[in-house]
Amino acid sequence: AQKITQTQPGMFVQEKEAVTLDCTYDTSDPSYGLFWYKQPSSGEMIFLIYQGSYDQQNATEGRYSLNFQKARKSANLVISASQLGDSAMYFCAMRDLNAGNMLTFGGGTRLMVKP
Amino acid sequence: GAGVSQSPSNKVTEKGKDVELRCDPISGHTALYWYRQSLGQGLEFLIYFQGNSAPDKSGLPSDRFSAERTGGSVSTLTIQRTQQEDSAVYLCASSLSGASLSTDTQYFGPGTRLTVL
Repeated sequence: AQKITQTQPGMFVQEKEAVTLDCTYDTSDPSYGLFWYKQPSSGEMIFLIYQGSYDQQNATEGRYSLNFQKARKSANLVISASQLGDSAMYFCAMRDLNAGNMLTFGGGTRLMVKP
Repeated sequence: GAGVSQSPSNKVTEKGKDVELRCDPISGHTALYWYRQSLGQGLEFLIYFQGNSAPDKSGLPSDRFSAERTGGSVSTLTIQRTQQEDSAVYLCASSLSGASLSTDTQYFGPGTRLTVL
């Protein structure tokens, strides 16, 4: 069975600083995908970044990058130059095709950016 | 282009009544997913449709929950005889294919907030 763990229920970061949101996962399948989503107070889940288990390089997407450490089964999200609009819930999710096509989500981290 | 849309955005109902929630996926997306987000349970998978294949219903919590997808596009999630524990935000997502691609990203709609009194 797959499992996603986000150990930080809430975090503060100063505007313009970088922040790392932790995510660890557990799967026995060698082929899987890891996703990060942002959920602002409006409620919509916004896709941020994807990392495949066979990708050789860490994924990057603008101010978002994924620190993928396969041996440690961690996929931490790094947000550089935080902005006030980054305040939201952030969810790590995994798709393990042997377990079906659905996403399994972590419990989320609430990020609050201080001006 | 237009994203995933869901209606209604909010639904308040009385215990025991039936409700229908609607999802309109992104045009051209063949895979459609329903999830539920509640305070106690986090985000849970409910059901998955892929093209004309039989849906994956493995996440439905009880036989009071059902869903259909007509014409490979719009989907309706029906909850019969609603209970207070059904109160949650119901999220719909769609993806291009849902097939054997880890990269097949799911895009979510704004959700329907269901409150059962």
